[in-house]
Amino acid sequence: NAGVTQTPKFQVLKTGQSMTLQCAQDMNHEYMSWYRQDPGMGLRLIHYSVGAGITDQGEVPNGYNVSRSTTEDFPLRLLSAAPSQTSVYFCASSRADANNEQFFGPGTRLTVL
Amino acid sequence: RKEVEQDPGPFNVPEGATVAFNCTYSNSASQSFFWYRQDCRKEPKLLMSVYSSGNEDGRFTAQLNRASQYISLLIRDSKLSDSATYLCVVNLGGGADGLTFGKGTHLIIQP
Repeated sequence: NAGVTQTPKFQVLKTGQSMTLQCAQDMNHEYMSWYRQDPGMGLRLIHYSVGAGITDQGEVPNGYNVSRSTTEDFPLRLLSAAPSQTSVYFCASSRADANNEQFFGPGTRLTVL
Repeated sequence: RKEVEQDPGPFNVPEGATVAFNCTYSNSASQSFFWYRQDCRKEPKLLMSVYSSGNEDGRFTAQLNRASQYISLLIRDSKLSDSATYLCVVNLGGGADGLTFGKGTHLIIQP
């Protein structure tokens, strides 16, 4: 099993550009989530999904969209990148009970100029 | 407001020593508790869950004190490879949006 994979690993955008961060898992997990991690901050939840076709907002959803058309994939779209979105983005998956272990992808380091 | 507080450190500890750090949480309704480990520029990985009765995994011991609303992590006979950031995670329950991550405690084991 590859676990949770994320692409790209690094990305530099200009203000106003849009892009999609890809996330895929091969563990047949129902739950998938996107977090951002900033220096001196804990991981903050952007969006999450409890199953294919179901998504919901987390703590910091503004400026991001998600979709979950399959169990395996959970892409995160930045609509119009802003410098405040410079961060490290982690995708995570887990079984249906959130008390179960969260498996994280390796992260995407995004810089918005 | 959900809050999980950790001492950011760094804790500089000689190899072989015992080190302990705590994490406090503000919501008394919190249902489950975890310690994650994050190496520099890597993703977090589950170290251990924290049970009401306390639990031990090799050199690591985790304890929960519901009355005082904190969890602790004790590392015995510390190794150089224990150097990492340790994240406290609290789950309010109710699904994937119930997890709150602390900012982490940075541990440096010195030879």
